[in-house]
Amino acid sequence: DAGVIQSPRHEVTEMGQEVTLRCKPISGHDYLFWYRQTMMRGLELLIYFNNNVPIDDSGMPEDRFSAKMPNASFSTLKIQPSEPRDSAVYFCASSLSRALSSYNEQFFGPGTRLTVL
Amino acid sequence: AQTVTQSQPEMSVQEAETVTLSCTYDTSESDYYLFWYKQPPSRQMILVIRQEAYKQQNATENRFSVNFQKAAKSFSLKISDSQLGDAAMYFCAYRRPGANSKLTFGKGITLSVRP
Repeated sequence: DAGVIQSPRHEVTEMGQEVTLRCKPISGHDYLFWYRQTMMRGLELLIYFNNNVPIDDSGMPEDRFSAKMPNASFSTLKIQPSEPRDSAVYFCASSLSRALSSYNEQFFGPGTRLTVL
Repeated sequence: AQTVTQSQPEMSVQEAETVTLSCTYDTSESDYYLFWYKQPPSRQMILVIRQEAYKQQNATENRFSVNFQKAAKSFSLKISDSQLGDAAMYFCAYRRPGANSKLTFGKGITLSVRP
């Protein structure tokens, strides 16, 4: 399996522009998580989906952030308009609720480094 | 709310020596999982080792082992025979059971390995 795929790996944009980050989870996984990593706050959960439905978006910082999962193999995280304080590494992770192991490992993608100038 | 604390921002170890990374956590739950993740410069989050709270035996994965003290809410990682490739950021993380549970991470520690 290719693992969790994220694109782009790097994104540099200017303040005020729209940014879209993409994630393809591992095939068959029914949970998808978006995390953000910053120097100040570390790694924190933004939102997660179960079977393509958003379950908990309490970590989404502002209305400028939105996430969708139109099908089981694709999710987007959009920031509109972007601001310099959104600069961070954004990770997508997926897991399988029916895994043989009870601890339901979350598999991480390589992350997208976003820089907003 | 659960919290994870890594109080040491940086550590250094001589190649082939042993190093211990500290982590404490706070939770009112009795059943949970603890993890150590490695993040090399490539940014990839790599699961190093996990521990189930209901298991008294400390987890071991090759050169990596943990010292899990449930009463003290302490979860340290020991790396034996350190190698240059072990240089990375290491994150301690907590999760409740269940596929819908989020990972709560500590702030991480940067480990350097001296040749």
